[in-house]
Amino acid sequence: KAGVTQTPRYLIKTRGQQVTLSCSPISGHRSVSWYQQTPGQGLQFLFEYFSETQRNKGNFPGRFSGRQFSNSRSEMNVSTLELGDSALYLCASSIQSSYNSPLHFGNGTRLTVT
Amino acid sequence: DQQVKQNSPSLSVQEGRISILNCDYTNSMFDYFLWYKKYPAEGPTFLISISSIKDKNEDGRFTVFLNKSAKHLSLHIVPSQPGDSAVYFCAANDAGGTSYGKLTFGQGTILTVHP
Repeated sequence: KAGVTQTPRYLIKTRGQQVTLSCSPISGHRSVSWYQQTPGQGLQFLFEYFSETQRNKGNFPGRFSGRQFSNSRSEMNVSTLELGDSALYLCASSIQSSYNSPLHFGNGTRLTVT
Repeated sequence: DQQVKQNSPSLSVQEGRISILNCDYTNSMFDYFLWYKKYPAEGPTFLISISSIKDKNEDGRFTVFLNKSAKHLSLHIVPSQPGDSAVYFCAANDAGGTSYGKLTFGQGTILTVHP
């Protein structure tokens, strides 16, 4: 069974640009979550989608947005990039809709903003 | 406010011995706990979880212990192997209505297992 797939693996963007990251969950998983990992802040929750609906959102500015498609694939978008957005962005999927279900992570997209 | 803390940044263990990784939490609403392992350039890999109705859960070489009164959990790896060398994260979730997909992670502990 294929794991969570994230594309692209690496991205270099310039301040002020926008970026779209893609995530394909494990087959059969309908919940997709996004996390940001930085050396200073660790792993921080961005948002979660289930059946194309955002059910939960972390404490990030509105420049960070996401969506989920009917096939459970998800994208996240960051507009007006800032240097501080440089991070590893991780997508995770879960088979259940309840909170007590383990998340399975992809290998991430490394975003560098210059 | 760091709600999940891993106070040991690193741990070094000899192959074949026990590795004990510790984690403390402050939010009394947390009731589902997980451990993840992370290799460089890869995403975290789920290892084992425990619900607050239990105080122990085993899966092969991995055992997680939960002490709710002390708000403390630990991961035991027996016997430790060189391939276990990685960063270990503990994470927690609560039963509140806004907890979907939202894990609160510790800062991680680097485990090194020497042959």
